[in-house]
Amino acid sequence: AQSVTQLDSHVSVSEGTPVLLRCNYSSSYSPSLFWYVQHPNKGLQLLLKYTSAATLVKGINGFEAEFKKSETSFHLTKPSAHMSDAAEYFCVVSEPPGGSYIPTFGRGTSLIVHP
Amino acid sequence: GAGVSQSPSNKVTEKGKDVELRCDPISGHTALYWYRQSLGQGLEFLIYFQGNSAPDKSGLPSDRFSAERTGGSVSTLTIQRTQQEDSAVYLCASSPRDTDYEQYFGPGTRLTVT
Repeated sequence: AQSVTQLDSHVSVSEGTPVLLRCNYSSSYSPSLFWYVQHPNKGLQLLLKYTSAATLVKGINGFEAEFKKSETSFHLTKPSAHMSDAAEYFCVVSEPPGGSYIPTFGRGTSLIVHP
Repeated sequence: GAGVSQSPSNKVTEKGKDVELRCDPISGHTALYWYRQSLGQGLEFLIYFQGNSAPDKSGLPSDRFSAERTGGSVSTLTIQRTQQEDSAVYLCASSPRDTDYEQYFGPGTRLTVT
């Protein structure tokens, strides 16, 4: 069975400082991994995805994530936070056919950006 | 192109009433998911449709919840005899294939049961 753990429920940063949102996963297969962002009262939007190609994945709005199989991690980073980055972020794992076809969502990390 | 749409955007209903929530997926997407998001919580999987296969209903919390997908396109989630704990945002997502492709989410329906 697959699972995903977002290690922080809240992360608070100052504008212009780096962002790190941590995600660990568990899967019996070679999973696909995703990060989604949800701004207040909005639907979820895909930030980036890993599907067994390059381990360093670049997404929208300057975000990137690195797939580390040895650490079963897929942490999301951004060099410099903007006020507009304040939102809820979800890490998602899904398995290929043969595994669980229902994506598993983490509980979310709320990113707070201070001026 | 058009994204996933959901209607209504907000629904207020009295306890005990039935409600229907609608999802229009992106044209050509064969997979469709329903999720529930309670205040400050992550996403709770409800039901999954893939093409003409039987849906995976394993996430439905009770037999008051049901969903159908007509013609492989539009889906309706029905909640009978609503309870206050049903209050949440109901999100629909579609995907062009199974889980190897990202999901495209609708804006959600905010359900409030009074």
